[in-house]
Amino acid sequence: DTGVSQDPRHKITKRGQNVTFRCDPISEHNRLYWYRQTLGQGPEFLTYFQNEAQLEKSRLLSDRFSAERPKGSFSTLEIQRTEQGDSAMYLCASSQEGIEAFFGQGTRLTVV
Amino acid sequence: QKEVEQNSGPLSVPEGAIASLNCTYSDRGSQSFFWYRQYSGKSPELIMSIYSNGDKEDGRFTAQLNKASQYVSLLIRDSQPSDSATYLCAVNDYNQGGKLIFGQGTELSVKP
Repeated sequence: DTGVSQDPRHKITKRGQNVTFRCDPISEHNRLYWYRQTLGQGPEFLTYFQNEAQLEKSRLLSDRFSAERPKGSFSTLEIQRTEQGDSAMYLCASSQEGIEAFFGQGTRLTVV
Repeated sequence: QKEVEQNSGPLSVPEGAIASLNCTYSDRGSQSFFWYRQYSGKSPELIMSIYSNGDKEDGRFTAQLNKASQYVSLLIRDSQPSDSATYLCAVNDYNQGGKLIFGQGTELSVKP
């Protein structure tokens, strides 16, 4: 078990570009969560999947954000037309049946 | 709006002392309670989980839960400089998909 893996670790993009992040959860975990964390704040929930079904999306997830988890394995989070306010650490976590959640290393996004 | 409150700190303790970190939560439906440690620039790491009233000990860490008072705490005994980090309190409601609501974190500094 290699834990939750996220790619890339860092991403710098120009405003208006699209970016996509990938998360590979712990293999036996059926739930996958995306969070966003800005400096000095705790992580904020964005969305979660149970297997391949996206069951909840936060109000924070604007129309420019989309997440998928095809076949209930890895997940992608895409941000279209990035804005400077999207700069943050994007964290993925997985759990089995919503109990203890374990986080990946995160993807730090900087929009310039 | 479900909330989790923590003092942001910084909390400074001398090496070898007991560090006491506190957290209150607003949602009485919360069922599971977690403490995560986050080093600067890194992702959160799960260090303690507690589900029922009382104390739970794991090595130098003790988590305490009082559901009637909606209060969770973390004690770190024999604090070490390597314990210097931000400690995040998180709560979830298993019936709400297991998503975590985080406090803003308490920064702990252990002085040699």
